[in-house]
Amino acid sequence: AQSVTQPDIHITVSEGASLELRCNYSYGATPYLFWYVQSPGQGLQLLLKYFSGDTLVQGIKGFEAEFKRSQSSFNLRKPSVHWSDAAEYFCAVGSGGYNKLIFGAGTRLAVHP
Amino acid sequence: DVKVTQSSRYLVKRTGEKVFLECVQDMDHENMFWYRQDPGLGLRLIYFSYDVKMKEKGDIPEGYSVSREKKERFSLILESASTNQTSMYLCASYGAADYGYTFGSGTRLTVV
Repeated sequence: AQSVTQPDIHITVSEGASLELRCNYSYGATPYLFWYVQSPGQGLQLLLKYFSGDTLVQGIKGFEAEFKRSQSSFNLRKPSVHWSDAAEYFCAVGSGGYNKLIFGAGTRLAVHP
Repeated sequence: DVKVTQSSRYLVKRTGEKVFLECVQDMDHENMFWYRQDPGLGLRLIYFSYDVKMKEKGDIPEGYSVSREKKERFSLILESASTNQTSMYLCASYGAADYGYTFGSGTRLTVV
């Protein structure tokens, strides 16, 4: 069965520091992969997505993610975190013919000034 | 701008009540989904629909049903609400043109 694992439940970084959020997936075919962000009290916003081609994907708000098939990973990165990046981040894989999204449990990011 | 609209932002219901959560999209999407979001569990798929009057169970369908009488509207029904259904409910639709999902703002349901 398809699944997504986000190993880190909480991460705290200092403003200006670099960030990497981990995501591992289990999926039999070529996956469609997504990262979403959810600020408190808000809905989900798409940061970036990977379907095929270049394995380094650029997204909004300065985020990027790299698809590594050999490691079944799709880690999210940002070189310099801003206080406004504090939110919950979800990795997801598109699954099956009905295009269901399977989500990880999320990583909550806190940013210290 | 494309939109998925959930009719209520906050809802408080009593145990045993029948509860309807409504979701409307204006993008002419075939696929629509209902997710439940709980802390530490992420989003879990309850039901989805790939066409009018067509529905499929997701990972946690127990205690829920759905209705899709029109393409733009997908309703989640709690037949007899229980306190363990207190949660955030998110609706989404999917467009094949850009493999794009659009989420609603969510309905926070409290069952007392």
